[in-house]
Amino acid sequence: EAGVTQSPTHLIKTRGQQATLRCSPISGHTSVYWYQQALGLGLQFLLWYDEGEERNRGNFPPRFSGRQFPNYSSELNVNALELEDSALYLCASTLDRRDNQPQHFGDGTRLSIL
Amino acid sequence: SQKIEQNSEALNIQEGKTATLTCNYTNYSPAYLQWYRQDPGRGPVFLLLIRENEKEKRKERLKVTFDTTLKQSLFHITASQPADSATYLCALELTGGGNKLTFGTGTQLKVEL
Repeated sequence: EAGVTQSPTHLIKTRGQQATLRCSPISGHTSVYWYQQALGLGLQFLLWYDEGEERNRGNFPPRFSGRQFPNYSSELNVNALELEDSALYLCASTLDRRDNQPQHFGDGTRLSIL
Repeated sequence: SQKIEQNSEALNIQEGKTATLTCNYTNYSPAYLQWYRQDPGRGPVFLLLIRENEKEKRKERLKVTFDTTLKQSLFHITASQPADSATYLCALELTGGGNKLTFGTGTQLKVEL
């Protein structure tokens, strides 16, 4: 069974640009989660999508947005990039929207802002 | 304010010993607590989940306890091996929290020969 896959592995942008990160969940999983892991900080919850809808959002500005496609893959968009957005962005999936499930993570996209 | 604290300093132990990692939280009432392992450059990998009404959970060499009175979870690895060296993260999930996991910053474990 293929795990959660994320692309690209690395992304280098400059301040003010826009970044798009992609995630494919485990086959059959409908829920996708996005987290930011900045250096020295824990994982911070960004967004949760299930069945194409945004179900929950963390404490991040509106320039962080995303969507989930009919095949349950997901995209995270970050507009007007700032230096502090440099981090590892992790995607996770669960079978469905019930709580009490382990989250299965991909290996992330390393976003570097110059 | 809400906080999740894990041993900030790295934990070094000898092979074969039991490693005990601590997760303390304040101002949360979690419904579930999960433990993950993260290797450098990789995403976290799920290890164990324990509910608020459970005291202890085991899986092979791993054991987790959950004390909602002390607001603490302990994670034990028995008969530790160098391959257990990694960063271990605890994460809380709140009832009605929208499946959001709130993570601690992790404890780095190094098992030496």
